[in-house]
Amino acid sequence: DAGITQSPRHKVTETGTPVTLRCHQTENHRYMYWYRQDPGHGLRLIHYSYGVKDTDKGEVSDGYSVSRSKTEDFLLTLESATSSQTSVYFCAISESRTAAKNIQYFGAGTRLSVL
Amino acid sequence: RKEVEQDPGPFNVPEGATVAFNCTYSNSASQSFFWYRQDCRKEPKLLMSVYSSGNEDGRFTAQLNRASQYISLLIRDSKLSDSATYLCVVNNRAAYKYIFGTGTRLKVLA
Repeated sequence: DAGITQSPRHKVTETGTPVTLRCHQTENHRYMYWYRQDPGHGLRLIHYSYGVKDTDKGEVSDGYSVSRSKTEDFLLTLESATSSQTSVYFCAISESRTAAKNIQYFGAGTRLSVL
Repeated sequence: RKEVEQDPGPFNVPEGATVAFNCTYSNSASQSFFWYRQDCRKEPKLLMSVYSSGNEDGRFTAQLNRASQYISLLIRDSKLSDSATYLCVVNNRAAYKYIFGTGTRLKVLA
């Protein structure tokens, strides 16, 4: 299994509080991604990173920010959590854009409930 | 229209049966194709990449039809352990964009 650790694995928080989720990889892969998964939707990209300090928005980025200060860590922050952000969050990594190496590997996920 | 569409199922099949799933995609510029397997409350795991010439891995066969813009997954001799949700994933590398289908649920029955 790819060395990807997400923390925390479960979190319950209140509306309006800030929340930070962490993704840590030991594979030295360049690309990292944050997705959310909700019933009736495929995984949807929140933000991604293509290198240290290089990040960009995905399709559902409103209300989220990210940071990548080291190759191995990619943080997802909910500035002020809302109930619509209750979801399962997955981090993924991939090595390269070339066809042979653009496979994504996923962390175990974080279940976030915003009450 | 969704960029990647899958029949949600569930497909209920007996052990030993052969079952096939299709997935259609709308972006003709898509360049990479994958099937992932996701067990309940777990992360998606790569089942196989899909190559233009088609590829096989044991009981699993994947095909790509660029003209009709669909990929397929065939599972032969189904096992109870094959019960899962199968996700179709399409990538347009230029946009770092992986588009996931909502998945097809398979239940293999004893």
